[in-house]
Amino acid sequence: AQKITQTQPGMFVQEKEAVTLDCTYDTSDPSYGLFWYKQPSSGEMIFLIYQGSYDQQNATEGRYSLNFQKARKSANLVISASQLGDSAMYFCAMIDFSGTYKYIFGTGTRLKVLA
Amino acid sequence: EAGVVQSPRYKIIEKKQPVAFWCNPISGHNTLYWYLQNLGQGPELLIRYENEEAVDDSQLPKDRFSAERLKGVDSTLKIQPAELGDSAVYLCASSLGFEETQYFGPGTRLLVL
Repeated sequence: AQKITQTQPGMFVQEKEAVTLDCTYDTSDPSYGLFWYKQPSSGEMIFLIYQGSYDQQNATEGRYSLNFQKARKSANLVISASQLGDSAMYFCAMIDFSGTYKYIFGTGTRLKVLA
Repeated sequence: EAGVVQSPRYKIIEKKQPVAFWCNPISGHNTLYWYLQNLGQGPELLIRYENEEAVDDSQLPKDRFSAERLKGVDSTLKIQPAELGDSAVYLCASSLGFEETQYFGPGTRLLVL
């Protein structure tokens, strides 16, 4: 069965510093996708970044990058130059392309950026 | 381009009452999802539509929950009767196809008293 694990319930980071949010996953399917979403207090889930299991390079989107280590089954999100507006819940999610195509979400990490 | 629209944003009802949530997906998105998000948890899929067909409703509690997407565009999720444990955020999402990135609406926060 597929599973997403986020072991950090909460994280603090100083403004302008980089922070890494951990995500490990478990699947037996060779083809899958990994996503990160940001959920501010307003409640909307905002798509940040995507990594396919066959992608050779780590995905980057502006200040967001995904540190994809396939052998370790980890897909950590790196936020560079943190801003106060980055304070939110962050969810890692996975979709398998070999069967159900169902999104599985982790339990989230709450990030607080300090001024 | 407009995002996923949901209404209402908040709803407070007494237990045993019915309640309905509405979702309008991003234009052109064939796939629509309803999720349940409990406090401190990630979203959990309730139902997925491909156009007007419900292709995955295995997690939908069919004794009290129902959903429809009659014309393959907007969708309604209904609970009847509501129970205290239904208090949660109900998120709607859409995507171009089932293998594509999902985009979420702001959610409906339900409180059952």
